[in-house]
Amino acid sequence: AQKVTQAQTEISVVEKEDVTLDCVYETRDTTYYLFWYKQPPSGELVFLIRRNSFDEQNEISGRYSWNFQKSTSSFNFTITASQVVDSAVYFCALSEGSGGYQKVTFGIGTKLQVIP
Amino acid sequence: GAVVSQHPSWVICKSGTSVKIECRSLDFQATTMFWYRQFPKQSLMLMATSNEGSKATYEQGVEKDKFLINHASLTLSTLTVTSAHPEDSSFYICSVSILLGIQYFGAGTRLSVL
Repeated sequence: AQKVTQAQTEISVVEKEDVTLDCVYETRDTTYYLFWYKQPPSGELVFLIRRNSFDEQNEISGRYSWNFQKSTSSFNFTITASQVVDSAVYFCALSEGSGGYQKVTFGIGTKLQVIP
Repeated sequence: GAVVSQHPSWVICKSGTSVKIECRSLDFQATTMFWYRQFPKQSLMLMATSNEGSKATYEQGVEKDKFLINHASLTLSTLTVTSAHPEDSSFYICSVSILLGIQYFGAGTRLSVL
């Protein structure tokens, strides 16, 4: 069975601080995908990134960066110079398999509050 | 722009009535859609996988007679909460999977059953 653990349920930072959201996953498959989604107060989930299990390159997109470490089964998400608009619940997710429409397992989410 | 349209965004109903929620894929043909339920401050719980032209696949513990899913076309799936009760009050979200594993979500429907 696949499992996603987000140990931080709530984080508060002051604007412009950097913050890292942790994600640890469990899977027996060698092929899998990892995701991060953002859920702002409005409720609609927004896709941020997908990473497949064969690509351990870290990725940077603006103020967002992701660190994928297969050795520790972690896929952490860092926001640099945080802004109030970053306040949201962030979900890490995992899907197994190499094709088709795979079910996605979500972590419990980390609520990030950026204080002005 | 939005990939998935979900309607209504908010519904209040009396106990015992049925509520239908629509999920439309706007730009893509979706043979598979997903329905989730989210309780306050909790994660998304997959309820069922909706398959176009066939019966939905329900997750363990989800009552198929309670939550009726119809996926009649490649762009529309509906979830009907039958004989709704206060414990059915929740946030219901649909999604469409287009590229391997990536799901695009609707804006969600907040159901309040009085």
